[in-house]
Amino acid sequence: QSVLTQPPSASGTPGQRVTITCSGSSSNIGNYNVNWYQHLPGTAPKLLIQTNNQRPSGVPDRFSGSKSGTSASLAIGGLQSDDEADYYCATWDNSLNGWVFGGGTKLTVL
Amino acid sequence: EVQLVESGGGLVQPGGSLRLSCAASGFTFSGYWMSWVRQAPGKGLEWVANIKQDGSEKYYVDSVKGRFTISRDNAKNSLYLQMNSLRAEDTAVYYCGGSMEFWGQGTTVTVSS
Repeated sequence: QSVLTQPPSASGTPGQRVTITCSGSSSNIGNYNVNWYQHLPGTAPKLLIQTNNQRPSGVPDRFSGSKSGTSASLAIGGLQSDDEADYYCATWDNSLNGWVFGGGTKLTVL
Repeated sequence: EVQLVESGGGLVQPGGSLRLSCAASGFTFSGYWMSWVRQAPGKGLEWVANIKQDGSEKYYVDSVKGRFTISRDNAKNSLYLQMNSLRAEDTAVYYCGGSMEFWGQGTTVTVSS
């Protein structure tokens, strides 16, 4: 069971907007910045959002992040077929003294 | 171009040891925290360990404390993970990462008799 809680799955049709949530606590999200990653098993994870809402260079503005209190969310607008992947939130946890990941959300584009 | 290339994975018996390496290029290696993250078959990503730029601070997930050691050689632009007393549950693809921002393609570790 992950310290950060994400829905196991999400779906949408091409062009739609999808939001993935990540719920934590005061020992992690409540006091630290959140990163979001896109991952296809067997490939390098890709950083989509850092510091809650900052897109690294090269990440399309269809991807956006936000944080409020002990929760964070990733929004993907204008859904495309190649957005099908697993998405993870991650942050530091000061009670575990380490990074923690959400359990991951498998996004399906219908 | 930032590049991280992991090596050293393979098949090992329970109780055995492996040393993973990660060769870094395309960025100032000595200026970054470095990490190892893993993904077991059918599971999500799990952070394993990280190390400060000068090696003075190291942190580990509880399940590997006392068995795994992270280290780095800034002169060689290399990151390492010494894994001892390996267990079946350590079977995973291991990824090397820079500052939790960029990652290598991974190396596979299988612990089985």
